[in-house]
Amino acid sequence: NAGVTQTPKFRVLKTGQSMTLLCAQDMNHEYMYWYRQDPGMGLRLIHYSVGEGTTAKGEVPDGYNVSRLKKQNFLLGLESAAPSQTSVYFCASSHGTSARYEQYFGPGTRLTVT
Amino acid sequence: RKEVEQDPGPFNVPEGATVAFNCTYSNSASQSFFWYRQDCRKEPKLLMSVYSSGNEDGRFTAQLNRASQYISLLIRDSKLSDSATYLCVVNMKGGSQGNLIFGKGTKLSVKP
Repeated sequence: NAGVTQTPKFRVLKTGQSMTLLCAQDMNHEYMYWYRQDPGMGLRLIHYSVGEGTTAKGEVPDGYNVSRLKKQNFLLGLESAAPSQTSVYFCASSHGTSARYEQYFGPGTRLTVT
Repeated sequence: RKEVEQDPGPFNVPEGATVAFNCTYSNSASQSFFWYRQDCRKEPKLLMSVYSSGNEDGRFTAQLNRASQYISLLIRDSKLSDSATYLCVVNMKGGSQGNLIFGKGTKLSVKP
């Protein structure tokens, strides 16, 4: 099992460009999450999904959109990148509600917006 | 008051030492508590859940104090491989619902 994978691993964007980050999991998990991690800020939840076809906003959703068309995939989109979106993005998945079940994280995507 | 607070450290300790980290949380209705470990430039991984009665996993002991709203992690006989950042994690809403709030982490460096 690969667990949770993320593509790409690194990316540099210019302000105003768009991109999509792909997260895939092979554990048949229902729940999936997107976080960002900034120095001194800890992990913050951007969006999450409790099942195929459903998404919900987290703590810092502005400037991002997500889609969960297939159970195993969770896409994070930046429509018009801004320097404030420079961060490390982690995807995670869990069997059920994160309050009870371990979250498994992907290796992260390091994004720089210039 | 911030939702989950941790001393950022760093805690610099020699091999074999015992070290303890504390974490405070603001939501008195929170029910689920965890410690995650994050190595430098890697993803977080679950270290252990924290149960009401306290729990132990090898050299690691986790305690919960609901009255004072804090969680602790004790590491005995520290190893070089324990060097990492330890994240305190609490569920945001009461009961078993809601999403997790991550603390900023406490950095541990174990020296030879």
